[in-house]
Amino acid sequence: AQRVTQPEKLLSVFKGAPVELKCNYSYSGSPELFWYVQYSRQRLQLLLRHISRESIKGFTADLNKGETSFHLKKPFAQEEDSAMYYCALRPLGAGANNLFFGTGTRLTVIP
Amino acid sequence: DVKVTQSSRYLVKRTGEKVFLECVQDMDHENMFWYRQDPGLGLRLIYFSYDVKMKEKGDIPEGYSVSREKKERFSLILESASTNQTSMYLCASSFQGAPGNTIYFGEGSWLTVV
Repeated sequence: AQRVTQPEKLLSVFKGAPVELKCNYSYSGSPELFWYVQYSRQRLQLLLRHISRESIKGFTADLNKGETSFHLKKPFAQEEDSAMYYCALRPLGAGANNLFFGTGTRLTVIP
Repeated sequence: DVKVTQSSRYLVKRTGEKVFLECVQDMDHENMFWYRQDPGLGLRLIYFSYDVKMKEKGDIPEGYSVSREKKERFSLILESASTNQTSMYLCASSFQGAPGNTIYFGEGSWLTVV
């Protein structure tokens, strides 16, 4: 069975400080990993996915298969980064369409 | 731009009432999903559908049913609402198949059962 763990429910950092939101997963096969973000009063939206190897809004995340982690990082946090962040996993394979979510981390960037 | 629309944003219902939550997507997506979002629990899948009239149970289907009569519309039904079903409900949709498919979410429906 698959599982996504986000150990921090709340994370506060000062503006300009580096930020890292942790995500660990357990899955026997090859997964796709995603980060979703929900800003205040907005819908949940995709931030980035490991398959694209992209940087979005200064955020990056590297899939570490050895440590089964997909931590989200940004070198200099901005106030507008304050939001709820969810790590999610989708099993790869025929018929695999569903996302399994972690419990989320609420990031607050202090001005 | 993909649009997933949940027609009811805020509802207050009484215990025992039958509740319908409607969701419509405009991108011809095959897959549609209903999640519930609770603080400290994240998003949990209730049901999903990969085609018209097809449905699969998710992690927490008890107390819920779904209907997909048309490709663009996916309804969540609470046959007899209970207070522990007070929650935020999120509808989502996506194409099938290829890795990297994005799942798009609606704005959510806040349901309070009193």
